Amino acid sequence: TAGITQAPTSQILAAGRSMTLRCTQDMRHNAMYWYRQDLGLGLRLIHYSNTAGTTGKGEVPDGYSVSRANTDDFPLTLASAVPSQTSVYFCASSDKRGADTQYFGPGTRLTVL
Amino acid sequence: GQNIDQPTEMTATEGAIVQINCTYQTSGFNGLFWYQQHAGEAPTFLSYNVLDGLEEKGRFSSFLSRSKGYSYLLLKELQMKDSASYLCALEDSNYQLIWGAGTKLIIKP
Repeated sequence: TAGITQAPTSQILAAGRSMTLRCTQDMRHNAMYWYRQDLGLGLRLIHYSNTAGTTGKGEVPDGYSVSRANTDDFPLTLASAVPSQTSVYFCASSDKRGADTQYFGPGTRLTVL
Repeated sequence: GQNIDQPTEMTATEGAIVQINCTYQTSGFNGLFWYQQHAGEAPTFLSYNVLDGLEEKGRFSSFLSRSKGYSYLLLKELQMKDSASYLCALEDSNYQLIWGAGTKLIIKP
């Protein structure tokens, strides 16, 4: 079982360009999440989805958008990247939202120049 | 707010015991998670505490005291592979996880 896959593994992006980070899970989990992880800071939630067809804003949603067309996929889009979006991005999923283990993908390291 | 504090870095010796603390200020939360994250890898689940007290799981145990506002992760019989960051996270009333910055644990032979 693959669990959660993310693509690309790493990317260097010019400021002002758009980019979509891909996330796919094969566990049939209802809830999915996008976090960013920066040195010296805890993981911060960008967006989440409780179930296919629904999304919600997390702690740091500005500059990012998500969609959840089906159970398996939860792409994260940066419409116009800025250097402050340089980070490691983790996608995660859980069977349900609340009191449930979150399983993380391997992460995408994004550098915006 | 829900400030979560963890020591930035700790060092321990192979075979020893280490306690990693997590303190917080919050008016209420559902439960507290501990995750392990090896360098360059994804976080993986270790434990979840809802009630006060100690939860033991092999070499790892986690403790929660809601009245005193802290939790700790206890690692026994340390192995070199335990070198990693340990992340504490509170689940708030909206089911959102609020994460500490993590404690980097260095194990020396």
